[in-house]
Amino acid sequence: DAKTTQPPSMDCAEGRAANLPCNHSTISGNEYVYWYRQIHSQGPQYIIHGLKNNETNEMASLIITEDRKSSTLILPHATLRDTAVYYCIVPYSGNTGKLIFGQGTTLQVKP
Amino acid sequence: DAGVIQSPRHEVTEMGQEVTLRCKPISGHDYLFWYRQTMMRGLELLIYFNNNVPIDDSGMPEDRFSAKMPNASFSTLKIQPSEPRDSAVYFCASSFQLAQNTEAFFGQGTRLTVV
Repeated sequence: DAKTTQPPSMDCAEGRAANLPCNHSTISGNEYVYWYRQIHSQGPQYIIHGLKNNETNEMASLIITEDRKSSTLILPHATLRDTAVYYCIVPYSGNTGKLIFGQGTTLQVKP
Repeated sequence: DAGVIQSPRHEVTEMGQEVTLRCKPISGHDYLFWYRQTMMRGLELLIYFNNNVPIDDSGMPEDRFSAKMPNASFSTLKIQPSEPRDSAVYFCASSFQLAQNTEAFFGQGTRLTVV
């Protein structure tokens, strides 16, 4: 899998946008960027994924740089329920596409 | 669909006993994954299946661990004999095709405590 690098922790004020960065400088041209999150004591939950274009769904937006070496997950109006560990993953396209989780970013949304 | 269903949610057992964790994937999904999560090692992929066939078991820690998928709707992860260091949360996940352009759905996990 392409290696990803994320900050270990971040804080965000409730109601503000949370911007979570991820570096994936070794990503290959046909590999997707995935984001999952894990709220305490629950199973990981899919958020969004993208290849090269920016993506948006009901949960978040994903901004991928033009060179695809980094991306940012944006939660536009963070709530206390968004407090979780966020994982940026690039499944290896040439092998299995299996998801290998790193340490992720612990996002703490504060009132 | 009720999502990925794991049982039991909690299991406490004595060292040396056999433990069996169960998973029912989402209907129609052809990939099934078993993960283990601890504070020290995070989320680790143990094994995954495609169409009921084990594809990669390189994450299985040792011979005490075994996993089976007798049919498309059921999988088990067995630990025999169990040890205190096996205490962890075990997650099962399923997906349709590989993670290249599809999402994986996770169960709520089984919290295993070996005393």
